Amino acid sequence: AQKVTQAQTEISVVEKEDVTLDCVYETRDTTYYLFWYKQPPSGELVFLIRRNSFDEQNEISGRYSWNFQKSTSSFNFTITASQVVDSAVYFCALSEETSYDKVIFGPGTSLSVIP
Amino acid sequence: EAGVTQSPTHLIKTRGQQATLRCSPISGHTSVYWYQQALGLGLQFLLWYDEGEERNRGNFPPRFSGRQFPNYSSELNVNALELEDSALYLCAILTYGYTFGSGTRLTVV
Repeated sequence: AQKVTQAQTEISVVEKEDVTLDCVYETRDTTYYLFWYKQPPSGELVFLIRRNSFDEQNEISGRYSWNFQKSTSSFNFTITASQVVDSAVYFCALSEETSYDKVIFGPGTSLSVIP
Repeated sequence: EAGVTQSPTHLIKTRGQQATLRCSPISGHTSVYWYQQALGLGLQFLLWYDEGEERNRGNFPPRFSGRQFPNYSSELNVNALELEDSALYLCAILTYGYTFGSGTRLTVV
């Protein structure tokens, strides 16, 4: 069965610190997709990244980077030099190729960046 | 132009009433997805409509239903409202990832 675990419920960091949000997933499919979404206080969910199971390359986008490791079923998200605007709830999500329309979301990690 | 437009922004209903939520995808998208984000339960898949048909539904009772119109906009109807239906209801289209609307916050009192 599909499952996404985000063990960190809440994290607080001081501005300019680096922070890593953990995500561990479970799936029986060999082809699947992993996602990260951001939900700021305004409430709208914002798509950040999609990763295919056959592409284990890490990705960097500005201050954001993602570490995908199939061996540990993890897809961790690091924010470098955090800013107050990064304060949000971050969701890791998974969909399997056989049911791509149904995305399973993790419980989310609430990040507070303190000025 | 926003990828997904939802209305109303907020909705307050009394237990037992019916609620109707609306979603309009940007032109070119024939599928819409509905999710419920309830406090303590996270984001849960509700319904998927494509080309006017319900293609898949999550683990929700039949009083959660909807439809999709010829212009691909969609309605989500929740009948016999219960207090635990209070949640943020999000509509999305699927591109590389989901693009969500701003949501409708339904409060049942």
